[in-house]
Amino acid sequence: SQTIHQWPATLVQPVGSPLSLECTVEGTSNPNLYWYRQAAGRGLQLLFYSVGIGQISSEVPQNLSASRPQDRQFILSSKKLLLSDSGFYLCAWSPDRDLFSNQPQHFGDGTRLSIL
Amino acid sequence: GQNIDQPTEMTATEGAIVQINCTYQTSGFNGLFWYQQHAGEAPTFLSYNVLDGLEEKGRFSSFLSRSKGYSYLLLKELQMKDSASYLCAVKSRGKSTFGDGTTLTVKP
Repeated sequence: SQTIHQWPATLVQPVGSPLSLECTVEGTSNPNLYWYRQAAGRGLQLLFYSVGIGQISSEVPQNLSASRPQDRQFILSSKKLLLSDSGFYLCAWSPDRDLFSNQPQHFGDGTRLSIL
Repeated sequence: GQNIDQPTEMTATEGAIVQINCTYQTSGFNGLFWYQQHAGEAPTFLSYNVLDGLEEKGRFSSFLSRSKGYSYLLLKELQMKDSASYLCAVKSRGKSTFGDGTTLTVKP
C-alpha cells in the first residue's frame, strides 16, 4: 500500500532563518506531488505541484521554493523565513500523471510551523 | 479564477442528519471532492462527484449540480466523531482549489 511521510511534525523557527521540509511517498511510482499551506480556520492554499523529477510549478509568489530531486521526494525550502510563513504545511500526492483524472489527493500528517 | 463558498460553521445533534452546502464558480471543471479534516490533522478523502447526481457511501452522500455550480455533503446518523471541518475542493485544469471548510460540531 502507498504511504506518505512528512517531517518534522512541529517546527519553531526565528524570523530570517532557513527552512527545509521533506516529504516522501512509498509504494507508488511517478506520483503527482503537492505542497499546501493552511492558515488557522482556512482552506488549503496550493503552493507548489510537481508532475515529475525536476518539474515544479509555483502557484503563488513568495519566498518559498520547492524541489523534487527524486521521483518520490518533495522538499519545501526557504532561505529566509518571514512571520507570515507561519502555518500548517501539508504535502500530498495523487496517483495519476494525468492532471485531469478523478483521483483524490492523499495527505501527509502535516508540519505545524511557527515563526518567532 | 475560482471561487468556492461554504458556510463557516454548523451545529447538529447526535443521530440527526446535516447537509453542508458548497457553491463554486470555475473556468473548467474536472470534478468536485469532499474531504474531512479533524482539528490538527490532515484532510482525508470522503467523496468525489464529476457527473450530476447523488453519490452514496454509507452514512455519507454527496450531490452535484454542474449547471448550478452547487454541491452538498449529507451526513446521516451523526456521531460525535463526525465533529470536524469539511472541505469542498473543485478540480479544474488539473489543480484542486479548496474552500475554507465548514466546521461541524455534533452535540449530544
